[in-house]
Amino acid sequence: DAGITQSPRYKITETGRQVTLMCHQTWSHSYMFWYRQDLGHGLRLIYYSAAADITDKGEVPDGYVVSRSKTENFPLTLESATRSQTSVYFCASSETDRGSDEQYFGPGTRLTVT
Amino acid sequence: QQPVQSPQAVILREGEDAVINCSSSKALYSVHWYRQKHGEAPVFLMILLKGGEQKGHEKISASFNEKKQQSSLYLTASQLSYSGTYFCGTEEVGSSGDKLTFGTGTRLAVRP
Repeated sequence: DAGITQSPRYKITETGRQVTLMCHQTWSHSYMFWYRQDLGHGLRLIYYSAAADITDKGEVPDGYVVSRSKTENFPLTLESATRSQTSVYFCASSETDRGSDEQYFGPGTRLTVT
Repeated sequence: QQPVQSPQAVILREGEDAVINCSSSKALYSVHWYRQKHGEAPVFLMILLKGGEQKGHEKISASFNEKKQQSSLYLTASQLSYSGTYFCGTEEVGSSGDKLTFGTGTRLAVRP
């Protein structure tokens, strides 16, 4: 399917477990982003990537790890999940390296940590 | 630091107008506007760039006051489909990459 996809769409995990959320885009966009969305906080940037093998921290990176070995994939790993990481996670991509192009968002992954 | 959006929520009747404001304490390169319906992903509406360039939606307009670091989104003759939460995302002058900092959102409900 063309566009940006995320998997799984829903995930329940236990505290302390490792979880990986997948993000895949078919446009060959250079930039990719991971956000978390919580009530009262809007969208907060976790990590972003300017290209394959180039990643950088966003506003709330603690407890998360990313990699980008291929342009089209940008997985997000929670190394040891905590209840505070219960959230909706959105992946996004954009074409250019300035704020002059829209970000395309994936459908989101709802993660619950028990 | 997140930009501040106002109002936090607004209820309209179909056909009424609304203005949503976004204010930052930082010098801005661009302001993005997105709309999110319940349970869905945010969808792009508009980008306003330093210098006056705009890209976006035909039926929605916005302004960007670079000196005041403020942007406003104008929703005129509102339709039921305008309901949702509106987010502004700001890109700061001198920031690396295409990073946006989003406000906490404005919930808009349009009633028949």
